[in-house]
Amino acid sequence: EDQVTQSPEALRLQEGESSSLNCSYTVSGLRGLFWYRQDPGKGPEFLFTLYSAGEEKEKERLKATLTKKESFLHITAPKPEDSATYLCAVQSPNSGYALNFGKGTSLLVTP
Amino acid sequence: DGGITQSPKYLFRKEGQNVTLSCEQNLNHDAMYWYRQDPGQGLRLIYYSQIVNDFQKGDIAEGYSVSREKKESFPLTVTSAQKNPTAFYLCASSMGGWGSGANVLTFGAGSRLTVL
Repeated sequence: EDQVTQSPEALRLQEGESSSLNCSYTVSGLRGLFWYRQDPGKGPEFLFTLYSAGEEKEKERLKATLTKKESFLHITAPKPEDSATYLCAVQSPNSGYALNFGKGTSLLVTP
Repeated sequence: DGGITQSPKYLFRKEGQNVTLSCEQNLNHDAMYWYRQDPGQGLRLIYYSQIVNDFQKGDIAEGYSVSREKKESFPLTVTSAQKNPTAFYLCASSMGGWGSGANVLTFGAGSRLTVL
């Protein structure tokens, strides 16, 4: 059974204070690891997909990396508008094309 | 603009009543999904459909039913058999392949159901 664990559950940063969110996973036949951003009361918004260990992707202040057991979402010099819940998910042949999500990390960036 | 439309955004239900949540997409996607989100629980898969007239149960299908009669539509019925239906419901769609881009899920804005 696929398992996805995100840490920490919540993170509070000062504006400009860089940090990383962790997503550890156990899956048979990883087809992709996904990062989404979710604002309160809204649907998740796609950020990145990673497919193989060593892969990295960047978008503005965000950089996602992947190893065989975990993924990191690095946030460089965050701004208050980066405050959101960040969700990690894996895709495997176990449930068709559906994603198996972790519980998310709630990020608050204060001015 | 292409996207996914969920309705209603807010819904109140009395115990013992069935309710149906609507999900329509104009992205020409083959696959569609329903997830439930509770505080601190992340997203949990209810049902998914990879093609018209076919669907599979997810991890928490008990008390829910779906249909997929048209490619664009994937309605979810929350039945009276669902013991704790108060939650935020999210519909999603994807092209339905394994390749780059084809497996990205696009989500709707969600429907919040409250049982009174």
